Amino acid sequence: QVQLVQSGAEVKKPGASVKVSCKASGYTFTSYGISWVRQAPGQGLEWMGWISAYNGNTNYAQKLQGRVTMTTDTSTSTAYMELRSLRSDDTAVYYCARSRAIFGVVIIMDVWGQGTTVTVSS
Amino acid sequence: EIVLTQSPGTLSLSPGGRATLSCRASQSVSSSHLAWYQQKPGQAPRLLMYGASSRATGIPDRFSGSGSGTDFTLTISRLEPEDFAVYYCQHYGSSPLFTFGPGTKVEIK
Repeated sequence: QVQLVQSGAEVKKPGASVKVSCKASGYTFTSYGISWVRQAPGQGLEWMGWISAYNGNTNYAQKLQGRVTMTTDTSTSTAYMELRSLRSDDTAVYYCARSRAIFGVVIIMDVWGQGTTVTVSS
Repeated sequence: EIVLTQSPGTLSLSPGGRATLSCRASQSVSSSHLAWYQQKPGQAPRLLMYGASSRATGIPDRFSGSGSGTDFTLTISRLEPEDFAVYYCQHYGSSPLFTFGPGTKVEIK
């Protein structure tokens, strides 16, 4: 079955970096994109960015530009999200989601990973 | 930039009741670009509806979506115990690529 399995919880100090992985299975990895969404404690969903697993094209949320990098490794069907210069307000659950095109151009997030908790604390 | 507003913030209903959730966009959007997600406590979100009115795979027909322009609605015709959750609307655009609404919590009355 189609699934995305994310790496385990992380605890980081302010100023450090974190890299979260998202391993896909059950589908052709390069036929879809991967979106990353985060959720701070008790808050709503915040879109972070999207990467095409086909050609590596990316689109990042403006507020994270310069601090976030999304990559894929097609040999292992794994997507990665690296966030640098961590601050306390980066504490959140980070989700990856398979992103597929519908109606030719619209993208939806149809399969989600289980989430990775990242805690930033001194 | 499109801003999505959802109302009410919290909806208190009994099982078997009818839930009507609203999502309003700050400017007119294409209905094909509007999706709804359900999130239960401690779980990842799940795609419910896309294209404003198309149910995702496996979503029961008690869920329906409608709307156009700036006003969209998610209706749950008869609430089952497993439907009590938070619901988010989402817009797919250009900059930013995705925007989520703040969510509506459907709780047991």
